[in-house]
Amino acid sequence: DAGVIQSPRHEVTEMGQEVTLRCKPISGHNSLFWYRQTMMRGLELLIYFNNNVPIDDSGMPEDRFSAKMPNASFSTLKIQPSEPRDSAVYFCASSSSHVEETQYFGPGTRLLVL
Amino acid sequence: SQQGEEDPQALSIQEGENATMNCSYKTSINNLQWYRQNSGRGLVHLILIRSNEREKHSGRLRVTLDTSKKSSSLLITASRAADTASYFCATDAITGGYNKLIFGAGTRLAVHP
Repeated sequence: DAGVIQSPRHEVTEMGQEVTLRCKPISGHNSLFWYRQTMMRGLELLIYFNNNVPIDDSGMPEDRFSAKMPNASFSTLKIQPSEPRDSAVYFCASSSSHVEETQYFGPGTRLLVL
Repeated sequence: SQQGEEDPQALSIQEGENATMNCSYKTSINNLQWYRQNSGRGLVHLILIRSNEREKHSGRLRVTLDTSKKSSSLLITASRAADTASYFCATDAITGGYNKLIFGAGTRLAVHP
């Protein structure tokens, strides 16, 4: 198995632009998580999907952030408009079971908003 | 304060020495996990210990869990330079009505050849 796949690996954009991050979970996993990692705040859960349905989006910072999971093999995290404070590493993770079980992380997308 | 907090924040040792990292948490848990993150990479799951377990081994890793003290420790024996990474504990906690996996701030381990 290729593991969790994320794209792009790096993204540099200017403030105000739309950013779309993509994730392909491990085949057969029914839970998908988006995390954000910064030096100041550590690793934060943004949103959690189970069977393609958003279960917990309480970590989504504000309305500028949105996430979708149109099918079991694809999810997107969109930031529109982007701001410099959104600069971080965004990780996607998937799990075959419940939230508290083992999660498998992708390599991350390093986002820099100028 | 966080559900899971690691101690120390940073640890520097020589190859061959043992490395011990600690994690404390605040609420009841179903299980506790340890993850490793190499610089610039994603987190990799190392070991999961359930609340009814006290100790678990995996290769050079030994994890203990003391639910009465709400603490766990990760021991890496005979460390190698390749063990240099950040190590995170993660615990499940209900916040805002949802069950989440909460990660601590991590321990940065440096193993010198």
